[in-house]
Amino acid sequence: GAGVSQSPRYKVTKRGQDVALRCDPISGHVSLYWYRQALGQGPEFLTYFNYEAQQDKSGLPNDRFSAERPEGSISTLTIQRTEQRDSAMYRCASVGTGELFFGEGSRLTVL
Amino acid sequence: DAKTTQPTSMDCAEGRAANLPCNHSTISGNEYVYWYRQIHSQGPQYIIHGLKNNETNEMASLIITEDRKSSTLILPHATLRDTAVYYCIVRGDSWGKLQFGAGTQVVVTP
Repeated sequence: GAGVSQSPRYKVTKRGQDVALRCDPISGHVSLYWYRQALGQGPEFLTYFNYEAQQDKSGLPNDRFSAERPEGSISTLTIQRTEQRDSAMYRCASVGTGELFFGEGSRLTVL
Repeated sequence: DAKTTQPTSMDCAEGRAANLPCNHSTISGNEYVYWYRQIHSQGPQYIIHGLKNNETNEMASLIITEDRKSSTLILPHATLRDTAVYYCIVRGDSWGKLQFGAGTQVVVTP
């Protein structure tokens, strides 16, 4: 596609359920980033990949969060046993020549 | 922690120039300064970036001080549609871990 695509755009789940958020970066982009953004806050770094290799996962809040990018393209951010504090906008971005391109985000609400 | 500091908010009159400061006093020689903005709940949008020299594009101008410890984003003729949160970030040759701060909330008023 022309831009970074994220799905689902909106996800409502019950506490304790697992969720998977998907990111389809711009074709050919090597680096892919995941951010979390709370209302009124700047994007908070979670993790990033170069190709299929996860380069830095220091921003993942705890071991319930994981991410993968098995073929160096589409990435999945998985949150296990969701908690209410996980509610936020999750944004994916990929790097092209000189720019970071963001998707529209996946808004997660945990009830 | 983010490598940049910005004022929390600023107002600007429509049609006037908006000058947004950013402090990046610990910037390294190979690190670039990038500016993004975020309108409502949309994803951040690229504005401009620079290394040492001042830069200009159709959206804005970027002035980087000679010691590179600070920079200013200039929106030459602010419009109501420029109301947004503006983020200043730095990144190295290899993109690496990119951290955003809280940004500056700019409100353009008629």
